[in-house]
Amino acid sequence: AQTVTQSQPEMSVQEAETVTLSCTYDTSENNYYLFWYKQPPSRQMILVIRQEAYKQQNATENRFSVNFQKAAKSFSLKISDSQLGDTAMYFCAFMILGANSKLTFGKGITLSVRP
Amino acid sequence: NAGVMQNPRHLVRRRGQEARLRCSPMKGHSHVYWYRQLPEEGLKFMVYLQKENIIDESGMPKERFSAEFPKEGPSILRIQQVVRGDSAAYFCASSPQRGGEAFFGQGTRLTVV
Repeated sequence: AQTVTQSQPEMSVQEAETVTLSCTYDTSENNYYLFWYKQPPSRQMILVIRQEAYKQQNATENRFSVNFQKAAKSFSLKISDSQLGDTAMYFCAFMILGANSKLTFGKGITLSVRP
Repeated sequence: NAGVMQNPRHLVRRRGQEARLRCSPMKGHSHVYWYRQLPEEGLKFMVYLQKENIIDESGMPKERFSAEFPKEGPSILRIQQVVRGDSAAYFCASSPQRGGEAFFGQGTRLTVV
């Protein structure tokens, strides 16, 4: 079975600063995707960034980037130039390729951006 | 193209009643997933459906819970004889193909009183 661990329950960052959210996972599979989702107070789940395990290059989406360490099974999210609108819960998630494409989520981390 | 639509957004049921949660996937999406989110927890997979077929229901409780995705109309998650422990947010996601990006609805918050 696959597991996703987010060990930090909450973090806080000053506006315009950089913050890194940690995630580790466990799997015996070789082909999979990793995701970070954002859940603001509206409860909408928003895809932030996605990483294919077969790609060595770390994914980047504007102010969001990941540090994917496949051997260490680590997948951290870096948010640069934090904005007030980044305040939300962030979930790390995992999906095996070729299976039923269901997502396995971590427990999430609450990020607060201070003005 | 409207996003994934879930209704109702909020649902209150008394213990023992039935709850019916609806999910209309994005246009052109034939894959639907249901997830449950308990307070302070991540989302847990419940069931994966394609039109008229249940593909994977390994996350569904064995009793009282059922799901369908008919040829026409929305996907329905049905909870019979609800109990307090069923109180949670229920999310639906749809995808155009297996392994494709999942687009989530805004969820239905079920409260059992």
